Amino acid sequence: GAGVSQSPSNKVTEKGKDVELRCDPISGHTALYWYRQSLGQGLEFLIYFQGNSAPDKSGLPSDRFSAERTGGSVSTLTIQRTQQEDSAVYLCASSKLAGGSTDTQYFGPGTRLTVL
Amino acid sequence: SQQGEEDPQALSIQEGENATMNCSYKTSINNLQWYRQNSGRGLVHLILIRSNEREKHSGRLRVTLDTSKKSSSLLITASRAADTASYFCATLPTGGGNKLTFGTGTQLKVEL
Repeated sequence: GAGVSQSPSNKVTEKGKDVELRCDPISGHTALYWYRQSLGQGLEFLIYFQGNSAPDKSGLPSDRFSAERTGGSVSTLTIQRTQQEDSAVYLCASSKLAGGSTDTQYFGPGTRLTVL
Repeated sequence: SQQGEEDPQALSIQEGENATMNCSYKTSINNLQWYRQNSGRGLVHLILIRSNEREKHSGRLRVTLDTSKKSSSLLITASRAADTASYFCATLPTGGGNKLTFGTGTQLKVEL
């Protein structure tokens, strides 16, 4: 596609439920990133995938959070047993060449998650 | 934790004026990037400056980088109402893979 797409655009769930957020990166981009942005805050790195390498999960806030990337393309971020503090906008980005001094990340529109 | 810190946190100017936003960071970097965000959704990449560069221009944007002070500035000249948005700096640390570290952002409002 022309850009990074994410679905759903908005998700409202009840505390304790599991949610899945989807990201479709730009075709041909080898790197994919997930970030979280709480209201009025900057972006918090969660996880990134680069090709077939093991993902960097260092930003995941708890073991309730997990992500996978199937076939080097689409990624799903799963949050189990959601808590109210998980409410945020979840942003996905992809880049053509992971690393390097001029690599640019392209962001999707985000999924706004609200946990009641 | 956020490495980058922007100031001011909020800036309100009149259309036609210049807007300057600053970003400070703590560790050595590979590059520094500025992004724009409208209405709390997707970010748009504006400009990237490498650690060995001191100044870069793109249209009405001018970015400077001072690695000795670990700081950068973004200047938007002849601002327009459409420039109203949040602006974030993001740093790519040396040896840090490809994990960008974002600042807390500057909210710019350009009034007619």
